[in-house]
Amino acid sequence: GAGVSQSPSNKVTEKGKDVELRCDPISGHTALYWYRQSLGQGLEFLIYFQGNSAPDKSGLPSDRFSAERTGGSVSTLTIQRTQQEDSAVYLCASSLLPPPPLYEQYFGPGTRLTVT
Amino acid sequence: LAKTTQPISMDSYEGQEVNITCSHNNIATNDYITWYQQFPSQGPRFIIQGYKTKVTNEVASLFIPADRKSSTLSLPRVSLSDTAVYYCLVLFSGGYNKLIFGAGTRLAVHP
Repeated sequence: GAGVSQSPSNKVTEKGKDVELRCDPISGHTALYWYRQSLGQGLEFLIYFQGNSAPDKSGLPSDRFSAERTGGSVSTLTIQRTQQEDSAVYLCASSLLPPPPLYEQYFGPGTRLTVT
Repeated sequence: LAKTTQPISMDSYEGQEVNITCSHNNIATNDYITWYQQFPSQGPRFIIQGYKTKVTNEVASLFIPADRKSSTLSLPRVSLSDTAVYYCLVLFSGGYNKLIFGAGTRLAVHP
């Protein structure tokens, strides 16, 4: 079956603009995660969704970041008033069930965001 | 403070065994330790997962001591295609659940 897909693959935006990043998880996976990976760095947890429940927003770096998941499937990560430090690869992953415990996460290819 | 620690980089040669250790002092008591592999311009890919003692699959082994404060990923007889970044992932709890990836270990396998 299809894996996790993300769009766009690349996004260049001007500082101060809003951007939306999309993630389509694997069908039937109830948990969805967003991570950020800055150039040459590790993965930073941002947020995860468990089905239709309210998300765990504990990892969001600022109130300019928000995310939603419609119908327990597709998710959108929105960054408002983008800053240059937001430039990174944004990775989405899904797993069959949510933590705890940790289940295998399947990652998408990521969206490379560049803020100029 | 929830944190994982891994070596930044390692070098090896084809055919050798490679062991990468991750320390994670405050892991959730009932949670698994998971390792991922990442190639450039790709998302991470699951390698192996364990709770305690030893787990082995077709590509790697995972050793976890009784106190679970660390884990060691063992790659037997590495090849050039094993050149990648390896991350440990743990779930920390302490008022909230938080997923913490290690900073990653960049493994370079040489001919």
